[in-house]
Amino acid sequence: EPEVTQTPSHQVTQMGQEVILRCVPISNHLYFYWYRQILGQKVEFLVSFYNNEISEKSEIFDDQFSVERPDGSNFTLKIRSTKLEDSAMYFCASRYLFVKSGEDTDTQYFGPGTRLTVL
Amino acid sequence: AQSVSQHNHHVILSEAASLELGCNYSYGGTVNLFWYVQYPGQHLQLLLKYFSGDPLVKGIKGFEAEFIKSKFSFNLRKPSVQWSDTAEYFCAVIPGYSSASKIIFGSGTRLSIRP
Repeated sequence: EPEVTQTPSHQVTQMGQEVILRCVPISNHLYFYWYRQILGQKVEFLVSFYNNEISEKSEIFDDQFSVERPDGSNFTLKIRSTKLEDSAMYFCASRYLFVKSGEDTDTQYFGPGTRLTVL
Repeated sequence: AQSVSQHNHHVILSEAASLELGCNYSYGGTVNLFWYVQYPGQHLQLLLKYFSGDPLVKGIKGFEAEFIKSKFSFNLRKPSVQWSDTAEYFCAVIPGYSSASKIIFGSGTRLSIRP
């Protein structure tokens, strides 16, 4: 069964450094998402991406964050200057878009997450 | 404020006990409802979903949930739990106003099953 993959599984960085979290969505999916979960808190929506542009973003997704689909397979989240409060588990998700017989167009499939630790 | 509420932070049950996890949401209008599960060390997986039709939804592994519109609730149930059901369970909503179908999650309920 196809899966969303994420690398690295754990990233440790110094405050103020830039980090790039990588995701490979399921190959025929067209809608991509980033969520995060700070330890002990709920999973929060960050941003959605479709057709090479952001379709929706949350208040958390400020100018420090950016997303990109640099090629046909990867979907990245960049944090330009990390802060201590950016420490969290970051989940990528993807879903199909167009109605097609046999395709589940409603479900978002999540990756295993990248644990980001900012020191 | 609009939110998804899961009232039980941690539930401990013995094997074969019945389970009901509460979920309430405060969004008006159309909503799509989900329960996700996260087994220890694994990623979020969809248990079941409700978009329309029969308000009693059956999911994987014997789970079911009932959408009660008048109560803004979507409680998760299982008649007889197993040790392998130990996990974190998240209720989630996609509000109808979200064009991108962003998911709003509840805070999660940790389920521990005593063998």
